[in-house]
Amino acid sequence: GNSVTQMEGPVTLSEEAFLTINCTYTATGYPSLFWYVQYPGEGLQLLLKATKADDKGSNKGFEATYRKETTSFHLEKGSVQVSDSAVYFCALRGTNAGKSTFGDGTTLTVKP
Amino acid sequence: GAGVSQTPSNKVTEKGKYVELRCDPISGHTALYWYRQSLGQGPEFLIYFQGTGAADDSGLPNDRFFAVRPEGSVSTLKIQRTERGDSAVYLCASSLKGASGSYTDTQYFGPGTRLTVL
Repeated sequence: GNSVTQMEGPVTLSEEAFLTINCTYTATGYPSLFWYVQYPGEGLQLLLKATKADDKGSNKGFEATYRKETTSFHLEKGSVQVSDSAVYFCALRGTNAGKSTFGDGTTLTVKP
Repeated sequence: GAGVSQTPSNKVTEKGKYVELRCDPISGHTALYWYRQSLGQGPEFLIYFQGTGAADDSGLPNDRFFAVRPEGSVSTLKIQRTERGDSAVYLCASSLKGASGSYTDTQYFGPGTRLTVL
């Protein structure tokens, strides 16, 4: 079945540091890939997505590129802010499947 | 517009009791999903509705769990004979289409219901 493996956290960075959160997946066919974010006390929100190989999703300064050859979808941001502190989830949806499969989440804390 | 809403936000119950959790999706969304999120883990799929019918219920852990969506809008997740292991946050999401071939459409999540079984 489908699965998603995320870089274990927690991750602590200083403001303006570079962020990478690794995500690899296992799936048959050509899934769509997503990053969700959960800010403290809030619900899960879609951050970005990519629907086919070599697509780059981007939003709020975050980027992730769908790499089929390495089955990866790593999240990056060039300069993090304190307000980026949250839990980040990588997820996939397989073809012909309504459901999403999530990783276990990575907690990011950004210190001023 | 209004997002996905879930009630109650918190539910505390005793082992062995019956509970119902409600989800009100975004108006016009035909697809509705239930997930369960345990502490420190990502959401785990339970069931997915396309309209009134359950298109995929492969994630329901056992026959104590049941969900309905009688009019294709509001959904209720029902848990019988609750156990302490059922304690988790239950998330509902909806999307506009969700049908086969539309797996790129965005799922919008509700705030969740935190269930605690004592």
